[in-house]
Amino acid sequence: GAGVSQTPSNKVTEKGKYVELRCDPISGHTALYWYRQSLGQGPEFLIYFQGTGAADDSGLPNDRFFAVRPEGSVSTLKIQRTERGDSAVYLCASSLGTGGNTEAFFGQGTRLTVV
Amino acid sequence: KQEVTQIPAALSVPEGENLVLNCSFTDSAIYNLQWFRQDPGKGLTSLLLIQSSQREQTSGRLNASLDKSSGRSTLYIAASQPGDSATYLCAVRPRDSWGKLQFGAGTQVVVTP
Repeated sequence: GAGVSQTPSNKVTEKGKYVELRCDPISGHTALYWYRQSLGQGPEFLIYFQGTGAADDSGLPNDRFFAVRPEGSVSTLKIQRTERGDSAVYLCASSLGTGGNTEAFFGQGTRLTVV
Repeated sequence: KQEVTQIPAALSVPEGENLVLNCSFTDSAIYNLQWFRQDPGKGLTSLLLIQSSQREQTSGRLNASLDKSSGRSTLYIAASQPGDSATYLCAVRPRDSWGKLQFGAGTQVVVTP
């Protein structure tokens, strides 16, 4: 696609429910990243993939959070037993290559509200 | 641990003035530094990427400099316009964790007509 696409753009869910957030990266981009942004803060790293595998998941806050990228393209971020503190904007990005000139491109984000 | 700081947190200038936005980072072992723009309720738009071997990068009215040894980058926006109003974020790509972009909290800019 022309850019990184994230769906849904907004998600309201009840505390304790399960949610899935989808990211469709730029075609051909091998690296895919998930970030979380709270109001007034910079994005906070969650996880990144090279191809199908999670190369670094050290930013996932706890075991309620999980992400997959089974075919090396689309990725899904899954959150179990949602809590009000999970409310934030979840951003996805993708990039091509592995060198020093790698530029990351972001999607529009999914605003998650847990009520 | 890499820390990225952007000062000031907010800035207001009259239209036509040049904007100067600062970004500092604590660890000079980086692959590159990227500047982004974020409009309210939107995602991040990439503005400029400076590789660690470069001193500056230019695109139209935007110019970004990088002084890796002192851990500083500056984004200059010439002849500001009301449409430049947004939050500007910088992010570094650390050498010890390639995939983990480290962001500052951003500078919120308002350009008044």
